[in-house]
Amino acid sequence: DVKVTQSSRYLVKRTGEKVFLECVQDMDHENMFWYRQDPGLGLRLIYFSYDVKMKEKGDIPEGYSVSREKKERFSLILESASTNQTSMYLCASRGRQGSQPQHFGDGTRLSIL
Amino acid sequence: AQSVTQPDIHITVSEGASLELRCNYSYGATPYLFWYVQSPGQGLQLLLKYFSGDTLVQGIKGFEAEFKRSQSSFNLRKPSVHWSDAAEYFCAVGAGGGSYIPTFGRGTSLIVHP
Repeated sequence: DVKVTQSSRYLVKRTGEKVFLECVQDMDHENMFWYRQDPGLGLRLIYFSYDVKMKEKGDIPEGYSVSREKKERFSLILESASTNQTSMYLCASRGRQGSQPQHFGDGTRLSIL
Repeated sequence: AQSVTQPDIHITVSEGASLELRCNYSYGATPYLFWYVQSPGQGLQLLLKYFSGDTLVQGIKGFEAEFKRSQSSFNLRKPSVHWSDAAEYFCAVGAGGGSYIPTFGRGTSLIVHP
């Protein structure tokens, strides 16, 4: 069974801090995704990676960056956290084909004070 | 550009009643279609998927969905809802390319009354 593990379920940080959210998958998937989920807005794609060191901006990349140095790990970085980045963050992975479903982690609920 | 519409933000049903959650998509070719469920505080879990063949697809937890090309719809159904089905449901559309980014609907929140 595919497992996508996000390093923290809950995280509290202060404005201006640099925040790292980590995601690891164990199925050798090429594609990995970071989403942000807010009430009434559904899932919004922040960044997407289709291979090691490869990334593409999603719908809302401002204020975020990503790193994919190894195939199994995809990190989301908040360069200077702000209160409007308080949200639920979801990581997902998927195999090579678009017909394959995504597999999601349990999410990280991030609060920026 | 592709899009997915889930017209119902909230749906309330009584336990034991039947359920239908609506999903309409816009895509130029035959899409890959998915339904996911998200229980409170959890990530999304795949319920079922369609990409070819029989237009009636069976999934986990007793759910099924029907692909209707003429209506650009992929509605999710369950004949008898259980209290544990209370959750957020997301419809998504994908395509064949390996780097294709799926598009999600905004979700439907299901409330189940005892």
